Amino acid sequence: ELQLVASGGGLVKPGGSLRLSCVASDFTFSSYAMNWVRRAPGKGLEWVSSIMGDSLYRYYADSVQGRFTISRDNAKKSLYLEMNTLRVEDTAVYYCARWMDTLGYFDLWGQGTQVTVSS
Amino acid sequence: QSVLTQPPSVSGAPGQRITISCYGNTSNIGSGHSVHWYQHVPGEAPKLVIFGNTNRPSGVPDRFSGAKSGSSGSLAITALQPEDEAEYFCQSYDISLSGVVFGGGTKLTVL
Repeated sequence: ELQLVASGGGLVKPGGSLRLSCVASDFTFSSYAMNWVRRAPGKGLEWVSSIMGDSLYRYYADSVQGRFTISRDNAKKSLYLEMNTLRVEDTAVYYCARWMDTLGYFDLWGQGTQVTVSS
Repeated sequence: QSVLTQPPSVSGAPGQRITISCYGNTSNIGSGHSVHWYQHVPGEAPKLVIFGNTNRPSGVPDRFSGAKSGSSGSLAITALQPEDEAEYFCQSYDISLSGVVFGGGTKLTVL
């Protein structure tokens, strides 16, 4: 079945770290740029980070630049997000999403994993 | 404050037609970048319902349609059904910000 399954969320104190994972099924993972998008409570969708299929290029939202690192393992069909120096405002559901480059949109989304940053 | 502007809420009775607007500017929609639309039910994965301004992915009912004019886009849903109740987000690309931008979301209530 064509799908993305995210995991790794949890409760962490401000300043802490967390690593999210996303496993892909039923498509040629290495052929697609992949992204993390989050939705904070009471807010809309926010793009967080993206990585090209060959990992040569990685991009970050200003709000996470320098604290988050995106990576991937094409052999394992897996996407990762290493989150350090977490802040209360990073609390959100984090979704992995596949990027369609031709027109610039996300055509496949995972179910999301909850990250809560609280003391 | 989102880069793309959507109304916070819309509502309609079953069988009716609603539209959701998405206003941008000359740095995003108005620069020629496409508008895309996602349906998000709390607790579920967001789902693409319109891409490239007017195109429906396979499996999305033809009750959903999209349009673009100038610096704005719109999503129309005809023959409203209870299962259409969700939040809808528009998305484009902003050349000034060099990144993906979303609207703030519109909560659709089916009365």
